[in-house]
Amino acid sequence: GENVEQHPSTLSVQEGDSAVIKCTYSDSASNYFPWYKQELGKGPQLIIDIRSNVGEKKDQRIAVTLNKTAKHFSLHITETQPEDSAVYFCAASRAGSGGYNKLIFGAGTRLAVHP
Amino acid sequence: NAGVTQTPKFQVLKTGQSMTLQCAQDMNHNSMYWYRQDPGMGLRLIYYSASEGTTDKGEVPNGYNVSRLNKREFSLRLESAAPSQTSVYFCASSVEEEAEQYFGPGTRLTVT
Repeated sequence: GENVEQHPSTLSVQEGDSAVIKCTYSDSASNYFPWYKQELGKGPQLIIDIRSNVGEKKDQRIAVTLNKTAKHFSLHITETQPEDSAVYFCAASRAGSGGYNKLIFGAGTRLAVHP
Repeated sequence: NAGVTQTPKFQVLKTGQSMTLQCAQDMNHNSMYWYRQDPGMGLRLIYYSASEGTTDKGEVPNGYNVSRLNKREFSLRLESAAPSQTSVYFCASSVEEEAEQYFGPGTRLTVT
């Protein structure tokens, strides 16, 4: 089955710096890669996702890149702000395979943005 | 819209006790899910319901049962709680199986 590894487990940056979180996956058939942000005491919230037919997707300060050959994808946050502090999870699944979009999650990255 | 709601927010059980975690969504979503979140392990799928009237096992179903009561509600039952079931439980829903999942606020369960 699919296995998703996420690094680093913790990340500390200064406000205004960039942050990069990386994930690798094992199942070459995976084709959907969402990123979730979880604030303290809340449920995860989707912030961006990418499908395997594109290599990069941007949404304001957030971008995700995908390298299918190497089976890894990354989350990039530019101009970080204190409100970006949270736990970020990557996930992978085989969407469109005729069954449930079974998300396999990475272990999470705790991002701290210091003013 | 309240989105996905879960009750209770916190619960402490003794080993062997039973309880039901409740989940409801008001977004008219077809699919609903139960996950557990343990430190350092991300979220793992317990059970899911692709549509009203159907349920299927996820990665870690042992020790749990579910009921899709109607389109809005999806409950998770622990028949005989064990300390290994101490976790934070999240319910989620999506319009259909291959769509964005919306998560509830979670239930923190401790089994002593």
